[in-house]
Amino acid sequence: EVKLLESGGGLVQPGGSLRLSCAASGFTFTDFYMSWIRQPPGKAPEWLGVIRNKANGYTTEYNPSVKGRFTISRDNTQNILYLQMNTLRAEDTAIYYCARSSGGYPFDYWGQGVMVTVSS
Amino acid sequence: DIVMTQGVLPNPVPSGESASITCRSSKSLVYKDGKTYLNWFLQRPGQSPQLLTYWMSTRASGVSDRFSGSGSGTYFTLKISRVRAEDAGVYYCQQVREYPLTFGSGTKLEIK
Repeated sequence: EVKLLESGGGLVQPGGSLRLSCAASGFTFTDFYMSWIRQPPGKAPEWLGVIRNKANGYTTEYNPSVKGRFTISRDNTQNILYLQMNTLRAEDTAIYYCARSSGGYPFDYWGQGVMVTVSS
Repeated sequence: DIVMTQGVLPNPVPSGESASITCRSSKSLVYKDGKTYLNWFLQRPGQSPQLLTYWMSTRASGVSDRFSGSGSGTYFTLKISRVRAEDAGVYYCQQVREYPLTFGSGTKLEIK
């Protein structure tokens, strides 16, 4: 069974940093692209970025809205996806999801999400 | 960025009736391979989004055949036949034609 489990969320002050993790199981992690998506309360999801699979060299793409502040990485020995978030702002407050996909294929599995609140 | 614009439903929809949700993209979502890179998701309250259809009209595994996607390069429709209480939630279209991937603002479906 495919499982994606996010962790690392919480309350952080403006200007602070946070690292989210997404533990993956039930599939061959290195075969899949992994994305981070966030959703502010009551609003639509926003795609943040992707890290491609082994066949595509684990390269990354980012939404310009977070490029330079957020970094996506993966540990392919432990099947964990990461999102490093720096210089956090109030508008980064959202539920953060990880999701898997593959080249040309959609997000077929999502995690349950983790809440990040940026506030003083 | 490709902007996705979704329509509004005349809620609530009576159980057993059909509902059509519309989505428009600011650019054609047809890629050179001939596929149209448009996905539909349903998000029930308190849950993660669930994939319904991809490549505009291909149903995801385990999704009821009451859900059908159609459209052209820039105008898309998700039709839900014989709506049930479990279909209630917010529906999102998403383009994966190019980065950054973008979602529509969502269409809420309420069932009567």
